[in-house]
Amino acid sequence: QQQVKQSPQSLIVQKGGISIINCAYENTAFDYFPWYQQFPGKGPALLIAIRPDVSEKKEGRFTISFNKSAKQFSLHIMDSQPGDSATYFCAASKAGSYQLTFGKGTKLSVIP
Amino acid sequence: DAGVIQSPRHEVTEMGQEVTLRCKPISGHDYLFWYRQTMMRGLELLIYFNNNVPIDDSGMPEDRFSAKMPNASFSTLKIQPSEPRDSAVYFCASTAGYGYTFGSGTRLTVV
Repeated sequence: QQQVKQSPQSLIVQKGGISIINCAYENTAFDYFPWYQQFPGKGPALLIAIRPDVSEKKEGRFTISFNKSAKQFSLHIMDSQPGDSATYFCAASKAGSYQLTFGKGTKLSVIP
Repeated sequence: DAGVIQSPRHEVTEMGQEVTLRCKPISGHDYLFWYRQTMMRGLELLIYFNNNVPIDDSGMPEDRFSAKMPNASFSTLKIQPSEPRDSAVYFCASTAGYGYTFGSGTRLTVV
């Protein structure tokens, strides 16, 4: 049973464009939603995270939008750059737990 | 801090052999997680420890897999006997809160 569904599987965006990756969850006990970025040959690294008490969080060119009623959250990368080319994972954890459930990942390619 | 250190980076072994993967978490992190990454299944949690005690091993595929954390600075994941379907990248991660720090992983190939 996949608790966090991520889409699309892959994404190609032109330099300067907006990259959007979506995730949906079923478990209403989830209360922490991070995004991780993984470059080839490296482990995933925490990019940005949000809790359900806010609808949006922005850090530089990266924004998480959160829709609690729809049980969906998304990552927006503004002004996408070739250096953003990586695999992105959404994840979720329950209140009081540090155990993360990951989506299956989105491979982003930003072309010049 | 050198981050989470995993060894070896690559391991090629023959089917039936024992494989041991090693992890040194960040000092002060009291949670340690072992994940397996494949194209088909993504990142799967195998087991995690809190203060060196295994908390949830429900993700361990079968009895061929075992993990230990004898002290706060060292953990091992052992596969015995190994099978070709165990080929994957195995990650160790540690945390003292909500943000994980992952190691660079061990790419295991079982032939």
